[in-house]
This record gives sequence, C-alpha cells and structure tokens, in this order.
Amino acid sequence: RKEVEQDPGPFNVPEGATVAFNCTYSNSASQSFFWYRQDCRKEPKLLMSVYSSGNEDGRFTAQLNRASQYISLLIRDSKLSDSATYLCVVVRGSTLGRLYFGRGTQLTVWP
Amino acid sequence: DGGITQSPKYLFRKEGQNVTLSCEQNLNHDAMYWYRQDPGQGLRLIYYSQIVNDFQKGDIAEGYSVSREKKESFPLTVTSAQKNPTAFYLCASSITSGGEAFFGQGTRLTVV
Repeated sequence: RKEVEQDPGPFNVPEGATVAFNCTYSNSASQSFFWYRQDCRKEPKLLMSVYSSGNEDGRFTAQLNRASQYISLLIRDSKLSDSATYLCVVVRGSTLGRLYFGRGTQLTVWP
Repeated sequence: DGGITQSPKYLFRKEGQNVTLSCEQNLNHDAMYWYRQDPGQGLRLIYYSQIVNDFQKGDIAEGYSVSREKKESFPLTVTSAQKNPTAFYLCASSITSGGEAFFGQGTRLTVV
C-alpha cells in the first residue's frame, strides 16, 4: 500500500464552485501534513500546513482526521487561477523527516 | 533574498555521459532532498540528507549519486547507469527533517 494516496482527478469545475480533495495516508505515526500546489512545468509551492484542529486561509480550508488517516482540502469560490495540481504531503516521524508526496490531484477551473 | 537555486534550468546530455545538477540554498536549512518527476507522475525521492556528510537513499537511488560536503550544497550526479534519466529534477530543503519543504525551480534533463 502506498504511503499517501490521492484521487488524481481531473476535477473540472466552473468558477465560483466549491471543490474538495481528499488524501489518505497509511502510517498512523505520521506527524506533519501539508498541501502543496504545483503549476504546469513549475516547482511545487507550499499552499498550507494542516493542523489537527483544522485551519483556514481565505478560501482554503484544510482538515485532518487522524482516526481515519485522511486529510482534506476545501476550496470555496473557485477562481481561474486555482487551476493547478494539488499535492498532499505527509511526514512520518519514524523515518526522521522523510516527506511522502501523493501523486497529486489536477484541478481545472473554467469560466 | 533567501532561497534555493537549481542550475541549469535545462540540460541536454548524450547517452553514456555523467552529468551533475547543482542545488544551493541560503536558507540555513539542515535537510535537503532530490526528487524526480516524470510527465503526469508524482514526485519520487532519489536521495535526502539531514546533515552535512550524511545522506540516505530514497526510493529510486539506482544510477544516481550525491554528496553533502557543505550545508548549503547538495549536488546530484546522474550517471550513465541510470537507464531512463530524462525527467524533471527538483531539489528541496527544509529547516528540520520533516518540516515544510521549499523547492528550487527544477532542472529539466533530456538525454539525446
């Protein structure tokens, strides 16, 4: 079983829509969680960290469910500029900092 | 400005040649990583280093070598033993092993 699994999509949504991505991880010892955004042919960039209590940054909300071992990203009021691939990242403490990336979920927002 | 720099941005190599990709950071980060990304695929870990003079193999280390002689630098050599080296190579660093990672702009390697 892979360390991190994501639905690859693609997700195609109209502007203004709300879209949610989920990501599951296999190891319960995982300790840190992040969402990254990657534009076509560019490097990934940190979108937000994911905290146990959940956190929000503008139109973006991240949630962590340790019991079910999944994290989620909710994007409200989608913009054209949100079109990108969203990568889920999990860090497992037992491997001293090894970052595990999901394959990414592709989002296209259309006008 | 602090950041992580990869060079060159594009690299062409003839089959059978070794080539070294540069990665430098001035963020004072302890941990550094090399990933490979193929079209439509996720990131696969080649090597990572948590401290100077120490590094660990990732999932696809065969055909690659690294060194970490300085905190700021983590060069990756793609050797002729790598069977399919054409890919997008990404270097990253983090303040502690397991912290959020910052990426360089990547090097696109093409074998011709």
